[in-house]
Amino acid sequence: NAGVTQTPKFRVLKTGQSMTLLCAQDMNHEYMYWYRQDPGMGLRLIHYSVGEGTTAKGEVPDGYNVSRLKKQNFLLGLESAAPSQTSVYFCASTRYRGVSPLHFGNGTRLTVT
Amino acid sequence: AQKVTQAQTEISVVEKEDVTLDCVYETRDTTYYLFWYKQPPSGELVFLIRRNSFDEQNEISGRYSWNFQKSTSSFNFTITASQVVDSAVYFCALSEAEEGAQKLVFGQGTRLTINP
Repeated sequence: NAGVTQTPKFRVLKTGQSMTLLCAQDMNHEYMYWYRQDPGMGLRLIHYSVGEGTTAKGEVPDGYNVSRLKKQNFLLGLESAAPSQTSVYFCASTRYRGVSPLHFGNGTRLTVT
Repeated sequence: AQKVTQAQTEISVVEKEDVTLDCVYETRDTTYYLFWYKQPPSGELVFLIRRNSFDEQNEISGRYSWNFQKSTSSFNFTITASQVVDSAVYFCALSEAEEGAQKLVFGQGTRLTINP
C-alpha cells in the first residue's frame, strides 16, 4: 500500500529557478493538500483541492501554484524560487465523507540558495 | 479565527517518567475536531488521535492518554512511563469542518526527547 507518495525527496534550487513537486495518492481520496513545515511554525496550508480540476488557496499561497488534472495527482509549482521558500513540503489527502485524519506523504526537503 | 498554541517548545525527560504535552486552542465554532500527530526523527507524520468537540471523555490507548477540557480550551496529551522511542516532535491541530476539506491548523509543535 503506497498511500501518499511525494517526489522528489530532496531538492536544491538557486533563486529564480522553477520546479514542480509531485504528489500521488492511490486511496481514491477526493481532497488533497499541500503544507509547508518551518521551524517553530508548525505546518501551514499552502493550497488544497476538493476534487479533480479544482484548487483553492490556503493560509500561505503566495509564490506557489497548483494543479489537479487527475484525481490521484496534486502538483505544487514554484515559478521563481526564493530563499523564503526553503522548507519541508508535505502533501496529504483525505476521503470525501466525514472527518477523517489526513494521510501525509513523507515530505520533500527543498533548499533555495 | 482558529489558533492552536503549544507553549512547550522542547521537553526533555528521563526514560520511564510521565510527561504531558499541552495544547490550547481558539475557535468560534461549536463543532470542531482536534488532532494529535507524531513526527519521529525519520520525518513522517503519524496520526495519533482525533476528537470531536461533543465528546469530552478522556481517551487512553496503551501508554498514551488525552485529556480534553472545553472549559479551558485544552487538549493535552500524556505519555506514561515514557520510552526512548517516544522521542519525536508532537503536533496538535484543529479543524472546524464537519464535512469536506479538512483544513487543519497546526500548533508550533513540541519536541520531546526521552533520555535513557
